[in-house]
Amino acid sequence: SQQGEEDPQALSIQEGENATMNCSYKTSINNLQWYRQNSGRGLVHLILIRSNEREKHSGRLRVTLDTSKKSSSLLITASRAADTASYFCATVQTGANNLFFGTGTRLTVIP
Amino acid sequence: NAGVMQNPRHLVRRRGQEARLRCSPMKGHSHVYWYRQLPEEGLKFMVYLQKENIIDESGMPKERFSAEFPKEGPSILRIQQVVRGDSAAYFCASQGQGDEKLFFGSGTQLSVL
Repeated sequence: SQQGEEDPQALSIQEGENATMNCSYKTSINNLQWYRQNSGRGLVHLILIRSNEREKHSGRLRVTLDTSKKSSSLLITASRAADTASYFCATVQTGANNLFFGTGTRLTVIP
Repeated sequence: NAGVMQNPRHLVRRRGQEARLRCSPMKGHSHVYWYRQLPEEGLKFMVYLQKENIIDESGMPKERFSAEFPKEGPSILRIQQVVRGDSAAYFCASQGQGDEKLFFGSGTQLSVL
């Protein structure tokens, strides 16, 4: 399976702290994307990092990619209660178009 | 510019009935993906379609499931003779030509009694 695996499965932190989520995948990729899902809703795209990039920033989000280890991390700085959601990584395999999603990390930010 | 629209939001079927899930992509998008999600799990890829073509259906069960994306109208995911194991949230996502990110609908929650 090309699906990624997120780690940890669940994460609970205090508001203001940083949250780090990790993603590992199995095949060579074109790009890796992170999505957010609020309970009972569809996924929302957060950030995309290409296979030739190592780090990318977007607001309070920082994503890293290590293709040699087939892993990525998502850092949310200065977390807020509104960041409470599930976060998924998704990979596009080299030569393909489909996105395959990981199992997700459930983040809870306590006010 | 409306987002991806899925209907119905909730669908209840008895075992053996048919379920039809509809997805209207974002305006101008010609690529549609269907995913299935069980509670507390990630999304499982089912099928990838472009207008009038099935590009990849490797995630679709071989029996009872079919999908289409006609030239006019929404994409349809059809499940025949539903069983309790089909109960899940089904999400549709659309993608513009040359774009790499997906835009998701709010999903259809299918419950099979």
